[in-house]
Amino acid sequence: SQQGEEDPQALSIQEGENATMNCSYKTSINNLQWYRQNSGRGLVHLILIRSNEREKHSGRLRVTLDTSKKSSSLLITASRAADTASYFCATDAEYGQNFVFGPGTRLSVLP
Amino acid sequence: NAGVTQTPKFQVLKTGQSMTLQCAQDMNHEYMSWYRQDPGMGLRLIHYSVGAGITDQGEVPNGYNVSRSTTEDFPLRLLSAAPSQTSVYFCASSSGQGAYEQYFGPGTRLTVT
Repeated sequence: SQQGEEDPQALSIQEGENATMNCSYKTSINNLQWYRQNSGRGLVHLILIRSNEREKHSGRLRVTLDTSKKSSSLLITASRAADTASYFCATDAEYGQNFVFGPGTRLSVLP
Repeated sequence: NAGVTQTPKFQVLKTGQSMTLQCAQDMNHEYMSWYRQDPGMGLRLIHYSVGAGITDQGEVPNGYNVSRSTTEDFPLRLLSAAPSQTSVYFCASSSGQGAYEQYFGPGTRLTVT
């Protein structure tokens, strides 16, 4: 069973544009994380947001969390070709404190 | 620090064969986990460990065994490989469960014929 679901499944934008990905989940959470995966590589942690936080920033990344709507968004500003990757949200509602990953959003940034 | 290492990178097995996927971390992390990644499915938790000598099942544990004799190592054993176990396997570690960043290994791509 999947707790989080990213939207869209795939996104293609031009370099310099902003990219927004969304994550919706079903049950209450304690924490939500976003990860990036480059093709053929392991996942890399981007940012963690706790259920009592509404927004966090890290460099060109901005994450919001709306617990009333059970959703989160990841915004990448001024995208670069190197941002091309799959992005996953992970939530910790099920299996105790283990995180459950969504199927991901594939982002392509065209030069 | 090497971080999280996994071996082998690629493996082809015949149905019914057994093998062990190796995972090691040098960050003194208590929490380690194994995931499998299939197209369109995200990562699914197979087994996890909160410390040496302690393991527990995740979402998809059938057909897999784990043990944790040391903090550093967390091998995953396939008992009798099946084509349904064709997947990419990732090992991860973190300082603890919950609100901790997970560090992932590079993955093992397994094909069962």
